[in-house]
Amino acid sequence: NAGVMQNPRHLVRRRGQEARLRCSPMKGHSHVYWYRQLPEEGLKFMVYLQKENIIDESGMPKERFSAEFPKEGPSILRIQQVVRGDSAAYFCASWAGTANSPLHFGNGTRLTVT
Amino acid sequence: GNSVTQMEGPVTLSEEAFLTINCTYTATGYPSLFWYVQYPGEGLQLLLKATKADDKGSNKGFEATYRKETTSFHLEKGSVQVSDSAVYFCALSEDTGNQFYFGTGTSLTVIP
Repeated sequence: NAGVMQNPRHLVRRRGQEARLRCSPMKGHSHVYWYRQLPEEGLKFMVYLQKENIIDESGMPKERFSAEFPKEGPSILRIQQVVRGDSAAYFCASWAGTANSPLHFGNGTRLTVT
Repeated sequence: GNSVTQMEGPVTLSEEAFLTINCTYTATGYPSLFWYVQYPGEGLQLLLKATKADDKGSNKGFEATYRKETTSFHLEKGSVQVSDSAVYFCALSEDTGNQFYFGTGTSLTVIP
């Protein structure tokens, strides 16, 4: 499967715990975007990364949220000290890096904070 | 700045009805335009795209034409099926490529 892989598909955390969401982009893609989607709502951009660099984190909350895309391995979205309001679907998308090419999305991680 | 505006949903149609979902955009350069579809519990899948004015994207019976004069990219299908029930997102990327803008999504339900 050469698509965008996200894991886990479902993640349950208690308030105050940490959540780590992983995303492996399509083969050959070195650009990753993270989005958040609340039920019955659209996509909210969070962060855009290239290998080892954060390009745009304008959509990411300043506290508790961080993202990385190391030279080796998947991109990680990390949420510290989760609260109920963090419950949402988090989608990763990868991009080939060429103009006119689309984003390719994974199936998301559904985070539930209890 | 760049933005995408989609018609409000939800939209409910009977099977075999004609579908139009309106999408208009604002862009400073020469964007590429996309339609994505999201089925329940899944991620967004690229449905079709167009990269320049007057291009028509098509896939699975869906079509959309890039209209620069009206800054529109309306999605159409001549005869919808129950299996087309999903949420549809219009999107653009600016001509530098790395910034993407999504509409709010339009929910479509097709009833038998």
